[in-house]
Amino acid sequence: AQTVTQSQPEMSVQEAETVTLSCTYDTSESDYYLFWYKQPPSRQMILVIRQEAYKQQNATENRFSVNFQKAAKSFSLKISDSQLGDAAMYFCAYRSPRAQGGSEKLVFGKGTKLTVNP
Amino acid sequence: GAVVSQHPSWVICKSGTSVKIECRSLDFQATTMFWYRQFPKQSLMLMATSNEGSKATYEQGVEKDKFLINHASLTLSTLTVTSAHPEDSSFYICSASVPRREQYFGPGTRLTVT
Repeated sequence: AQTVTQSQPEMSVQEAETVTLSCTYDTSESDYYLFWYKQPPSRQMILVIRQEAYKQQNATENRFSVNFQKAAKSFSLKISDSQLGDAAMYFCAYRSPRAQGGSEKLVFGKGTKLTVNP
Repeated sequence: GAVVSQHPSWVICKSGTSVKIECRSLDFQATTMFWYRQFPKQSLMLMATSNEGSKATYEQGVEKDKFLINHASLTLSTLTVTSAHPEDSSFYICSASVPRREQYFGPGTRLTVT
């Protein structure tokens, strides 16, 4: 079974600075998807960024980028020019591309709470 | 696009009663819907996966007779917590997806059992 590990329960960053959140995963599959989700205090899960394992190029979305190291099974999220609105829980998630009984389940890490200091 | 709604957003019920939570995909047809449970300051725990017209697939340790899931159409799935007890109090989140696309999450439902 796949597992996702986020080793940083909490992180803090100064506004306008850069922060990197860590995520490692364990899988025997060669093709899969990785995601970072943000959960602000409203508790609405918001997709931040997505990476397909077959793509070597790291995904970027405005101030958010990932460092995907497939051999090391590492998938870190970098947030540049941090803003107060970035404060939230961040969850790393893995998804197998293969339908298992018709589903494509997400496996979540335990999350990292990010605080942005003004 | 890709909006998922949940109703109600917060419900309080008495111990021993049943409560139904609805999950709707508003602008797309979801072949698969997922139900999660989240305790305070914890991650999401997958409870079950449902496909339209099929019986739900429950994760290990989840009581299927207590958490009834119905996926009656491509836009609606319901979770019924039967004979609720205080320990069932939690935050329940649904998500919806189509194959090879990301899951889209609802805003969640806070259940409090008194």
